[in-house]
Amino acid sequence: AQSVTQLDSQVPVFEEAPVELRCNYSSSVSVYLFWYVQYPNQGLQLLLKYLSGSTLVKGINGFEAEFNKSQTSFHLRKPSVHISDTAEYFCAAGRDSNYQLIWGAGTKLIIKP
Amino acid sequence: DTEVTQTPKHLVMGMTNKKSLKCEQHMGHRAMYWYKQKAKKPPELMFVYSYEKLSINESVPSRFSPECPNSSLLNLHLHALQPEDSALYLCASSQARLAGETQYFGPGTRLLVL
Repeated sequence: AQSVTQLDSQVPVFEEAPVELRCNYSSSVSVYLFWYVQYPNQGLQLLLKYLSGSTLVKGINGFEAEFNKSQTSFHLRKPSVHISDTAEYFCAAGRDSNYQLIWGAGTKLIIKP
Repeated sequence: DTEVTQTPKHLVMGMTNKKSLKCEQHMGHRAMYWYKQKAKKPPELMFVYSYEKLSINESVPSRFSPECPNSSLLNLHLHALQPEDSALYLCASSQARLAGETQYFGPGTRLLVL
């Protein structure tokens, strides 16, 4: 069965420092990968997604992610975080044979002033 | 317009009440979803409508009853809920019910069952 693992439940980081949120997936077939963000008391918003092609994907708010097929990873990065990036970040995966998204447990990004 | 709206924002109901959650989108999307999200957890899929037809029901209890009156509207009727049903209920829509499609989420309805 397909699964998505977010290795860190919380990531504290100082403002203006770089951050990486880790996501690994298990799948033996082609996979689509997503990062969604959920700000406090809000719904989810797509940050970026990988469907095919270039393995470096750029998203909104200065975030980017790299698809690494050999390591089955799709880590999210930002070179310099801002207090407004405080949120829960979810990695998700989908496959053509099953349109349902498989969600990771989420990573809470905590920005320290 | 990439907005999904949900009403009400908050809802408190007793276990014998009947209430409805509403969701609306005007993006021309043909797939609409209901999710349940407990605190500090990812969303759990409850129902999916594709072209106004229910295409999946994730073994959700019958006290939750979805309805899709037209391609822009999605309702979730609630009856005889239990305290453990308290959660954030999220509506989402996508262009089609395909694996690579972006799902656009509403802000959710925060439900408390007493």
